Amino acid sequence: AQKVTQAQTEISVVEKEDVTLDCVYETRDTTYYLFWYKQPPSGELVFLIRRNSFDEQNEISGRYSWNFQKSTSSFNFTITASQVVDSAVYFCALNSGAGSYQLTFGKGTKLSVIP
Amino acid sequence: DTGVSQDPRHKITKRGQNVTFRCDPISEHNRLYWYRQTLGQGPEFLTYFQNEAQLEKSRLLSDRFSAERPKGSFSTLEIQRTEQGDSAMYLCASSLWRVKGLDTQYFGPGTRLTVL
Repeated sequence: AQKVTQAQTEISVVEKEDVTLDCVYETRDTTYYLFWYKQPPSGELVFLIRRNSFDEQNEISGRYSWNFQKSTSSFNFTITASQVVDSAVYFCALNSGAGSYQLTFGKGTKLSVIP
Repeated sequence: DTGVSQDPRHKITKRGQNVTFRCDPISEHNRLYWYRQTLGQGPEFLTYFQNEAQLEKSRLLSDRFSAERPKGSFSTLEIQRTEQGDSAMYLCASSLWRVKGLDTQYFGPGTRLTVL
C-alpha cells in the first residue's frame, strides 16, 4: 500500500520569508516517483517537479528547491523569499511505477503568504 | 500546446439525476486519467485509459459511474442516479507515456459537481 503524509495542514508566512513544506511517503516498491503539484484558488493542479527513486540529488529551480532523502522517506519542498503569488495548496504525490500508474496524493498543505 | 480542458466547469443537479462530464486531453497524449477531489482532501484516483482501453479502475468507481474514451481522444465520465455524496471536484489529467514509469500527469481545471 502507498501512502503520502503532509502533516502541515496550513502555513502562513510573511512575504519574503522562506518556507518548507514537508512530505513523508510510504511504499514497498524499490522503484517509485514523487511529485509536487500546486493548486491555486482557480483549482487547476499545476505540475512542479517529478523525482525518481534512484535520483537523490536535490534540485533547485529559481526560488523553489526540493530535498529528497530516501533514508527518512521524505521529499520536502522549500520556497525561498516567498511571494503572495505562492499562496496555494501544495500537494505531494507518489507513483509506484510497478504497473499501476495512478498517483497517490497527500492531503495537501495550504500556504498563505501575507504581504 | 493547449492544456487539458474540461466541460462543464460547474454542474448543479438534483439527487437522482444523471450527469456527464467531458475531458479533452493535451493533443497526442495517449493516457487519460480521472480523479475525484473532495473539500480539504487530495485527489483520489478513479480510472485511467491508454488510448481507448480502460486499464485500471479504483474501487471508488461504483457501478453508477462509467467512463469512456471511444476514439482515444476525449473522454466522458457519467454518473447515474447521483447522490449527495457524489458532490466533489472531478479532475481529468493526461500524459504521454513512452517509457515505463516516466509518466507526468497534467491536470485540467476540473468540473465541480454539486448534488442537491
